[in-house]
Amino acid sequence: GAVVSQHPSWVICKSGTSVKIECRSLDFQATTMFWYRQFPKQSLMLMATSNEGSKATYEQGVEKDKFLINHASLTLSTLTVTSAHPEDSSFYICSARLPPGTSGRAASYNEQFFGPGTRLTVL
Amino acid sequence: SQQGEEDPQALSIQEGENATMNCSYKTSINNLQWYRQNSGRGLVHLILIRSNEREKHSGRLRVTLDTSKKSSSLLITASRAADTASYFCATDATGTASKLTFGTGTRLQVTL
Repeated sequence: GAVVSQHPSWVICKSGTSVKIECRSLDFQATTMFWYRQFPKQSLMLMATSNEGSKATYEQGVEKDKFLINHASLTLSTLTVTSAHPEDSSFYICSARLPPGTSGRAASYNEQFFGPGTRLTVL
Repeated sequence: SQQGEEDPQALSIQEGENATMNCSYKTSINNLQWYRQNSGRGLVHLILIRSNEREKHSGRLRVTLDTSKKSSSLLITASRAADTASYFCATDATGTASKLTFGTGTRLQVTL
């Protein structure tokens, strides 16, 4: 259980275009999802927290108009990189958390379940 | 930055040897987690240790936590070539709504 998928797994786009990345919780409902980016040989940096039915909370230094997040349902969050530029090329990873009140160890420890990531290359 | 530090940054060992990675962090935590990432792939959750625990085992993995020193270690015993990957610690800090802060990572290379 607790499987998270991402689509696409990789995308190449031209500079100036917008790219949408989907993050889905396949077998559970996720009221909260997280978006991270990872540059080559570096660690994951949290970009934003996506909350179902409300606005995302962005980390300091992350442009909310550049990285649009929509969490329209309990199983889907999308990240849209608008007017992408080469410096936006990165590995984007999402994660999802079980909703509050869910029984079990994973929920009580606020464990996050990670998607496989999306490799974005902007030419 | 609140990001944790890991050392060594890179570690190369031979199959059968043990590998130890260390993680230091800066804030009070609810728990600390270790993840593995194969090159270009997503994260695999390895083990979670709560702030009131000092040691935990899972198969060939042994994790210790010293909250007074704000540090943790991950020991992989009898390493295998398949253990080659990057390993990250991540802290769930108190008062952060369960956001995870990842360490800088250790790249482990296990050779035959």
